Amino acid sequence: AQSVTQPDIHITVSEGASLELRCNYSYGATPYLFWYVQSPGQGLQLLLKYFSGDTLVQGIKGFEAEFKRSQSSFNLRKPSVHWSDAAEYFCAVLNNAGNMLTFGGGTRLMVKP
Amino acid sequence: DAGVIQSPRHEVTEMGQEVTLRCKLISGHNSLFWYRQTMMRGLELLIYFNNNVPIDDSGMPEDRFSAKMPNASFSTLKIQPSEPRDSAVYFCASSLVATGANVLTFGAGSRLTVL
Repeated sequence: AQSVTQPDIHITVSEGASLELRCNYSYGATPYLFWYVQSPGQGLQLLLKYFSGDTLVQGIKGFEAEFKRSQSSFNLRKPSVHWSDAAEYFCAVLNNAGNMLTFGGGTRLMVKP
Repeated sequence: DAGVIQSPRHEVTEMGQEVTLRCKLISGHNSLFWYRQTMMRGLELLIYFNNNVPIDDSGMPEDRFSAKMPNASFSTLKIQPSEPRDSAVYFCASSLVATGANVLTFGAGSRLTVL
């Protein structure tokens, strides 16, 4: 069965600092990987996705993520965090049939002024 | 496109009442997913439809929950009778499953409170 682990439940960074959110997945084949962001009271917005090809993918709002097969990881990064980035971030893995999207537990990001 | 549209956005009801949540898919999408989000269990897949047919309902918690797709663009999730432990945010998502690599687009969610 596929699964996703986000080891950090809460992270606090200062505005302007760099950010890395960790994600580890378990899946028997080449995974399809996603990062979604959820602002308070809102739905889930897609930040970026990895299907194949270049292992460094760019997303919206200045985010990027790197797929590392050897580490079963898909960490999300941003060089300089803005106060508006405060939200909850979810990593997810999709099975090859495209019908089972499994989420990690989420990481809540707080941004200090 | 207006995206995935869910209604109501908020519902407060009393234990034992019937609750119906609604979802309108993105035009042209052929797959529909219902998820439930709680603090304790995170985001859980309840049921998945493809071309209006329920494919996997193994995540539906019990017989009090039922979901339907009466047509290609609309779905309902019904809870009857509702219980306080059903309080959660319910999301629906749609996608166009052409190959395995597809993207789910989520609605804004329906926040249910059962008193």
